[in-house]
Formats: sequence, structure tokens, C-alpha cells
Amino acid sequence: DAGITQSPRYKITETGRQVTLMCHQTWSHSYMFWYRQDLGHGLRLIYYSAAADITDKGEVPDGYVVSRSKTENFPLTLESATRSQTSVYFCASKPGLAGGEQYFGPGTRLTVT
Amino acid sequence: DAKTTQPTSMDCAEGRAANLPCNHSTISGNEYVYWYRQIHSQGPQYIIHGLKNNETNEMASLIITEDRKSSTLILPHATLRDTAVYYCIVVSQGGSEKLVFGKGTKLTVNP
Repeated sequence: DAGITQSPRYKITETGRQVTLMCHQTWSHSYMFWYRQDLGHGLRLIYYSAAADITDKGEVPDGYVVSRSKTENFPLTLESATRSQTSVYFCASKPGLAGGEQYFGPGTRLTVT
Repeated sequence: DAKTTQPTSMDCAEGRAANLPCNHSTISGNEYVYWYRQIHSQGPQYIIHGLKNNETNEMASLIITEDRKSSTLILPHATLRDTAVYYCIVVSQGGSEKLVFGKGTKLTVNP
């Protein structure tokens, strides 16, 4: 189906484990973004990518790693999960044109025990 | 930090217009005003944006004051499905246009 998808939708993992959240978009948008949303904090930008092989840090990048080998995929890896990374993670994309209109995925709810 | 100020919550009767205010008194000349909403547990959804002229689309209208220091999002005939958190975001054009979300306004549409 066309659009932006995230997997898994729900994940429970243990402290110290590595976990990867997947994001896939079918529009060939240049830009992709990862946000986390915690109660009381709204959405905060973790990392973003302007194109394949180009990534940059957002507001809260510590503890996360991203890669973008293909335009359509933008995986987010927690190298050693901590309880403070329990959150809802949203992926978004936008075309390379100027503008702030982003398209968001349905989110991944991650719990670190 | 977010450059906008919005009320924490608002209520609206179903079928009536919902007017959501936003203050962005430090907005600069190349910055646009964007509105998003987030229905419970879903990803944010783009609604509308504008620079200085009023804008209207199938979802809403955006009224920006002449000095551009504030704006109002208008949902002309609110329905129960419009219950959501509404975010007003100031965005600089010409780059990655990263979004900085504040806490938004929780709009509750009542039957």
C-alpha cells in the first residue's frame, strides 16, 4: 500500500538490548524524520535525513543510530536500550521541495523494561 | 523551544465553529505558520499553513493577523472526530523545515 509505514507497531524489550524500528515510505520523498513522543514533552526530533546516505542529528539524538542506504527506508536503532527510551516513536517524510508539510506514520510504541 | 503559545485546552459544541488561537509574536519574515493535529494515538496530520494571507482548504481556514504576531485556526463545523491536540508551528522555509512541536491545544468537541 502507498504511504508511510512503521514496524513493529508495539515492542517490549529489556534494558541493554539492541532494537531497531523500521520506517518505510512509498512516495520517494527526499526527507525522512524520526520523532519521539513522551507524556508532557510533545514530539521531539531525534534524527533526520535529507537524502540517502545523508543524516543529521535532531534535538535528542543520544542513544540512537540511524542509517539511510535507500531512499524509502529509514531505520532507527537503539544500540543499548534504556528505560528512559520508553516512548512512542513516529517516523515522517516530506518531499525535497521547500515546505513544512510532513507525512507521519502510525507510530511504534516501545517499552523498555 | 517552541516559538508559539497556545491555550492548553478548549471545548466546542458539535456543529459549531472551533476557533483555535496561536500567538507567535517573534515570527520573522521568512517564517510560515503551520497547523497540525494529532488524534489520540495516531501520528500528527498536516492541516494548513500560511505566510501572511488568510488560507482555506477542505479541512480548515487560517486567519493570520496583519502584523503576523498571531493566528487563528478555524474548523467551521466541528465534529466529534475533530477532537484532537492541535499544534501551531512556526517554520522557516528553504531548508529541512524541521518541525518543533509545543504542547498544543487539546480540543474537545462535545455532542
